[in-house]
Amino acid sequence: NAGVTQTPKFQVLKTGQSMTLQCAQDMNHEYMSWYRQDPGMGLRLIHYSVGAGITDQGEVPNGYNVSRSTTEDFPLRLLSAAPSQTSVYFCASSGPGAWGTQYFGPGTRLLVL
Amino acid sequence: GQQVMQIPQYQHVQEGEDFTTYCNSSTTLSNIQWYKQRPGGHPVFLIQLVKSGEVKKQKRLTFQFGEAKKNSSLHITATQTTDVGTYFCAGLAAGNKLTFGGGTRVLVKP
Repeated sequence: NAGVTQTPKFQVLKTGQSMTLQCAQDMNHEYMSWYRQDPGMGLRLIHYSVGAGITDQGEVPNGYNVSRSTTEDFPLRLLSAAPSQTSVYFCASSGPGAWGTQYFGPGTRLLVL
Repeated sequence: GQQVMQIPQYQHVQEGEDFTTYCNSSTTLSNIQWYKQRPGGHPVFLIQLVKSGEVKKQKRLTFQFGEAKKNSSLHITATQTTDVGTYFCAGLAAGNKLTFGGGTRVLVKP
């Protein structure tokens, strides 16, 4: 099992550009989440999903969109990137239960200029 | 909303010494989880505590959940260079989502 995979590993964007961060898991977990990590601020929840077709907002959802068409995939979309979105993004899956053990992917390091 | 605070933010430890990092929640928790993130890596689950006053050990790591279920601690004995990284606690309160603390970054001096 690959666990949770994320692409790309690194990305540089210009302000106003859009992009999609990909996340996939092969553990058949119902629950998936996106976090951002900034120095000294821990991991903050952006969006999460409790199953295919169901998503909800976390602590810092503004500027991000998500969808969940399959159990395996949970992409995160930045519609118009801003410098404040420079961060490291982690996708996680969990199961059983939405807030059980979080299995994190390797992360995407994003720089917005 | 629910807040989870960790202290200290940084911990410089001499190799072989012990140290403790603390986690405090603004609300009573259903459970608390601990994660370790090595430099450049991703958070990895260490343990979950559920019961009031619960104590669990993993080799040199001792985890404790407070009696009021609002605080937790991680104690590491005989620190080794392999303990370098950031330790996060994450608390779950009823009806809420998992909330991570800011982490304690541990640096080990050989």
